Amino acid sequence: NAGVTQTPKFRILKIGQSMTLQCTQDMNHNYMYWYRQDPGMGLKLIYYSVGAGITDKGEVPNGYNVSRSTTEDFPLRLELAAPSQTSVYFCASTNGGEAFFGQGTRLTVV
Amino acid sequence: AQSVAQPEDQVNVAEGNPLTVKCTYSVSGNPYLFWYVQYPNRGLQFLLKYITGDNLVKGSYGFEAEFNKSQTSFHLKKPSALVSDSALYFCAVRYNNDMRFGAGTRLTVKP
Repeated sequence: NAGVTQTPKFRILKIGQSMTLQCTQDMNHNYMYWYRQDPGMGLKLIYYSVGAGITDKGEVPNGYNVSRSTTEDFPLRLELAAPSQTSVYFCASTNGGEAFFGQGTRLTVV
Repeated sequence: AQSVAQPEDQVNVAEGNPLTVKCTYSVSGNPYLFWYVQYPNRGLQFLLKYITGDNLVKGSYGFEAEFNKSQTSFHLKKPSALVSDSALYFCAVRYNNDMRFGAGTRLTVKP
């Protein structure tokens, strides 16, 4: 089973560039989440989705956008990258019990 | 909105001794509570959960957690720590579809 797959694993962006972090899950989970993990800060919720076509803001949504056109995919878009968005990004999915996490995307904005 | 706090950044224990990693939460209703573990350069892995039922929950690798509604706590415990338990531990609360994590506690088990 693939579980939750995130791509890319690493990326360096220049200030002002845009990119999409991909997340896909093959467990038919309704709930999907995007988090960022900064050193010593734990995980902060960016956006989440309870099903296809439905998304909601989390704790730190500014500078990000999401869409959920299918159950499987939940991409995270950065439109104008800023140094403050340097972080490790994790995608997770669940059907109400335990959450399954991807391996993370390490993003550096320079 | 719900929140979760892990009051200790770091916990150090000797191998073979019991360990406790603390977690308190704040929600207006009945929460779903979770513990996850993270090893270096990896995603989070599920350890155990409390949704309803017995206050003492048993999970993976010999870990257990006690739900205390009056103290709004969900402390993680293990009777005898192993060096291989050294990792970063996160408490999480899910309420109304939103899932929030604590800042994490780094557990170091010394031989």
